[in-house]
Amino acid sequence: QQQVKQSPQSLIVQKGGISIINCAYENTAFDYFPWYQQFPGKGPALLIAIRPDVSEKKEGRFTISFNKSAKQFSLHIMDSQPGDSATYFCAARSGTSYGKLTFGQGTILTVHP
Amino acid sequence: ETGVTQTPRHLVMGMTNKKSLKCEQHLGHNAMYWYKQSAKKPLELMFVYSLEERVENNSVPSRFSPECPNSSHLFLHLHTLQPEDSALYLCASSQERPLSSGRYNEQFFGPGTRLTVL
Repeated sequence: QQQVKQSPQSLIVQKGGISIINCAYENTAFDYFPWYQQFPGKGPALLIAIRPDVSEKKEGRFTISFNKSAKQFSLHIMDSQPGDSATYFCAARSGTSYGKLTFGQGTILTVHP
Repeated sequence: ETGVTQTPRHLVMGMTNKKSLKCEQHLGHNAMYWYKQSAKKPLELMFVYSLEERVENNSVPSRFSPECPNSSHLFLHLHTLQPEDSALYLCASSQERPLSSGRYNEQFFGPGTRLTVL
């Protein structure tokens, strides 16, 4: 019940295309859903996050779509660029004051020039 | 730079060695975390310290021993490790907030220590 399932494992997109990564969860007690981006040799860094009472959040080229009834959320990267090539992790926060996160398995995104 | 540093960046050790990983955060946060990142697996939360007290210990083998001497420093002491313990070990920190604040308390990650156990 604590799992967050992420797909696909890897994704190849042409420059200018749309990248879509999907996640699903079971635990309805999760109260925040962040996405993290990780480049080789670096730790994950927060990209964008959404609360379950919001259906969509957009920051620049990155958009989270959230479907509470289906317990699914997704990351859309518009106009994908080679610099977006990285590993992306979805996560879900449990209701603790220190923000315990459960992560998905990660998606390796490659954007070809 | 995220404000979270980890040393060493790479470590190779034998199964009988004892070593320690160090994490330091310069963000004034009051919660610190150890994660294990293995290939093709989700990040696994190992330990959480909040206000210098251990609040999470996710069934981690006793060959991993955490220490948090103050809110800025976190150590992971390693002894008698197994080859399957080879992974990237990530440290993170965040600011603990009341749940009622409705704000997301972002976790800031260090670059990790790449550990290889021979």
